[in-house]
Amino acid sequence: QQQVKQSPQSLIVQKGGISIINCAYENTAFDYFPWYQQFPGKGPALLIAIRPDVSEKKEGRFTISFNKSAKQFSLHIMDSQPGDSATYFCAASMRGGSNYKLTFGKGTLLTVNP
Amino acid sequence: NAGVTQTPKFQVLKTGQSMTLQCAQDMNHEYMSWYRQDPGMGLRLIHYSVGAGITDQGEVPNGYNVSRSTTEDFPLRLLSAAPSQTSVYFCATSQGEQYFGPGTRLTVT
Repeated sequence: QQQVKQSPQSLIVQKGGISIINCAYENTAFDYFPWYQQFPGKGPALLIAIRPDVSEKKEGRFTISFNKSAKQFSLHIMDSQPGDSATYFCAASMRGGSNYKLTFGKGTLLTVNP
Repeated sequence: NAGVTQTPKFQVLKTGQSMTLQCAQDMNHEYMSWYRQDPGMGLRLIHYSVGAGITDQGEVPNGYNVSRSTTEDFPLRLLSAAPSQTSVYFCATSQGEQYFGPGTRLTVT
């Protein structure tokens, strides 16, 4: 049973465009939703994260939108640049105590054409 | 401050061989974990540890063993490698946000 579903699998955007990646979760106990960026040959790196008490979080060109009732959250990349070309993973976890276990989506390969 | 280090970077094994993937961190994080990454499958949790002496299974633990004798180290052992264990393995630590190592690419022939 996949607890975090991510779409699309791949995305091609022109430079300057908006990239949108969507995730849906099933477990209502999840209370922390990060996005990771991974370049080829590297480990994933935290990009931005949100908790369900807010509906939107923005950091520079990256924005997370969160819809608790629909159990969905999305990553928006404004003014997409070729350097943003990477694989993006959404994830979810239940924060509590010292357990930071993450459940990941399957990833989206983003290509930004110059 | 090296963060999270993993060794080796690459490894080729024959079916049935054993090996240990090393993971070390210098951030004094209590939580450490191992993931495997396969094309189209995302990252799947193998084992995790919330502190020295404490380990637990993740989503795909079969064929892997772990131990946590110190805060700094969290080795992953393959007792009898199988071709299905061909993958990229990532170690991660956390004290809130998770930090991933650079990965070990393992091929089992």
